[in-house]
Amino acid sequence: QQQVKQSPQSLIVQKGGIPIINCAYENTAFDYFPWYQQFPGKGPALLIAIRPDVSEKKEGRFTISFNKSAKQFSLHIMDSQPGDSATYFCAADSNYQLIWGAGTKLIIKP
Amino acid sequence: KAGVTQTPRYLIKTRGQQVTLSCSPISGHRSVSWYQQTPGQGLQFLFEYFSETQRNKGNFPGRFSGRQFSNSRSEMNVSTLELGDSALYLCASSLGTLGMNTEAFFGQGTRLTVV
Repeated sequence: QQQVKQSPQSLIVQKGGIPIINCAYENTAFDYFPWYQQFPGKGPALLIAIRPDVSEKKEGRFTISFNKSAKQFSLHIMDSQPGDSATYFCAADSNYQLIWGAGTKLIIKP
Repeated sequence: KAGVTQTPRYLIKTRGQQVTLSCSPISGHRSVSWYQQTPGQGLQFLFEYFSETQRNKGNFPGRFSGRQFSNSRSEMNVSTLELGDSALYLCASSLGTLGMNTEAFFGQGTRLTVV
């Protein structure tokens, strides 16, 4: 019940394409869903986050879609660029801990 | 504003030895959490400290321990090192405790290699 399942494990997309990373959870107590981006040699950094009372949130080229009934949320990257190549982690936050997805290694080909 | 600082950046130890890693959080942040990152396992939560108290602990053996000082700096200790402990150890600091919808700021990590 405490898991967050993230897919795919890796993804290769051509420049300009729209990579989509999906996450699913079971625990309805989760009330905050952040996405973190990690570049090689760096620690993860917060990219965008959403609360379950909102179905979509956009920040620049990054969009989170949230489906509360299905207990799923996803990250979309519009007009993807080679500089977006990184590992992406979804997470789910309850009132006492942060649960992480396994990560998706994204490669954007020029 | 200085970020999260982890020292050392790289470390090579021999099996059976012990190691201490250090993390200085962002000024004003009272929560420090530790993670182990390996290529196949993603981010594995070790423990979180808030105001010098261990608030939560992941599923790691007792060889992994930590502490937090009154200035919020934290140390993580691993005793009797095993080859499988080779990993990137990440520290994150946040203003509030994890689980309070608060952003976690990560350091660059300490790369530990056990030979």
